[in-house]
Amino acid sequence: NAGVTQTPKFQVLKTGQSMTLQCAQDMNHNSMYWYRQDPGMGLRLIYYSASEGTTDKGEVPNGYNVSRLNKREFSLRLESAAPSQTSVYFCAISGLDEQFFGPGTRLTVL
Amino acid sequence: SQQGEEDPQALSIQEGENATMNCSYKTSINNLQWYRQNSGRGLVHLILIRSNEREKHSGRLRVTLDTSKKSSSLLITASRAADTASYFCASITSGTYKYIFGTGTRLKVLA
Repeated sequence: NAGVTQTPKFQVLKTGQSMTLQCAQDMNHNSMYWYRQDPGMGLRLIYYSASEGTTDKGEVPNGYNVSRLNKREFSLRLESAAPSQTSVYFCAISGLDEQFFGPGTRLTVL
Repeated sequence: SQQGEEDPQALSIQEGENATMNCSYKTSINNLQWYRQNSGRGLVHLILIRSNEREKHSGRLRVTLDTSKKSSSLLITASRAADTASYFCASITSGTYKYIFGTGTRLKVLA
């Protein structure tokens, strides 16, 4: 029972490259989220999916796309990476009254 | 920005002392939660307080909520070195599944 898993753990990209961050859960929860965390900024919501088949924008969606592939998986795609997207990315799922977080992906865009 | 604010940004205390951190939020909420983060890891849930509650306790944690001021506070009593971490509040906007996190308080407890 892994909870929330994220791949990859680390990634370095060049400006303009694309990549997809993967998130999977084995807790059978409906809601899934993508956040980014920059130093001193706390977590900012990029996109979330309240249930399979739905996605909604959060506070900072520009430059990102998401796919809720099925109930277990929620991916985040950077189509053309920019240095401003250097951050730590966290996937989370939501139970009734709390969120459970993955270990994070550290992304550096050169 | 929808992001909530926390103060202080950083707090350094001696072991055994109490630590208080405050959070302000901007929207109507269903509930407010506090999370802890150790050194760049994922956040871990600590405690939840619902919008119709004013105070909640859990072990050494005490949280208060004032919806008229859109603010909450977290008190950690008899702090330990192991409490050293960053603490975040998260407000859950009414009628949505959106969690809005505060900017966090970095707590350092000196042994």
